Amino acid sequence: GAGVSQSPSNKVTEKGKDVELRCDPISGHTALYWYRQSLGQGLEFLIYFQGNSAPDKSGLPSDRFSAERTGGSVSTLTIQRTQQEDSAVYLCASSLERLVATQYFGPGTRLLVL
Amino acid sequence: QQQVKQSPQSLIVQKGGISIINCAYENTAFDYFPWYQQFPGKGPALLIAIRPDVSEKKEGRFTISFNKSAKQFSLHIMDSQPGDSATYFCAARFGNEKLTFGTGTRLTIIP
Repeated sequence: GAGVSQSPSNKVTEKGKDVELRCDPISGHTALYWYRQSLGQGLEFLIYFQGNSAPDKSGLPSDRFSAERTGGSVSTLTIQRTQQEDSAVYLCASSLERLVATQYFGPGTRLLVL
Repeated sequence: QQQVKQSPQSLIVQKGGISIINCAYENTAFDYFPWYQQFPGKGPALLIAIRPDVSEKKEGRFTISFNKSAKQFSLHIMDSQPGDSATYFCAARFGNEKLTFGTGTRLTIIP
């Protein structure tokens, strides 16, 4: 596809379970971002990958959150031991390179922790 | 510390009217100011952007006004239409740094 894709589109899980969220960026985009959007709230930056550089993890809210980007393409955001406050929409975005500010967002994964 | 403050949180405008959303920033080093539009169930999409060397940028019905001395910028939507109903986010960036987003404005255009 031409845009950023994310899966699953919706995820319902029980408190304490681990979840994995996937992001497929636009082909050729070297920068990849994860954001969290709580209901009615703004975009909270989580983590940023650029090429082979060490990721910027400054936005991760706790050590239960981690992310990987394999082969400079697909990324997985993992939340361990989920809590109810983790319920939100998790958005992924990609861009051509760090200097280019136009980020293209995916549709998001809606996570509900019961 | 919130570096970009956005207001109002929600806005209702009649069809044909002008919608105005305001943002204020603190970091004078910011050099790029985009606006994103988000429809329900979708990710945000870039709408229009401005750099601080100009005071205004217009694209169709959408205009950004930029006031460097006041550290403020605003989005104006002329002849607002029901299809403009969405959430709008302002953002700011310095150099190679990541975007800092405002908290969003939910815009509703009523007939």
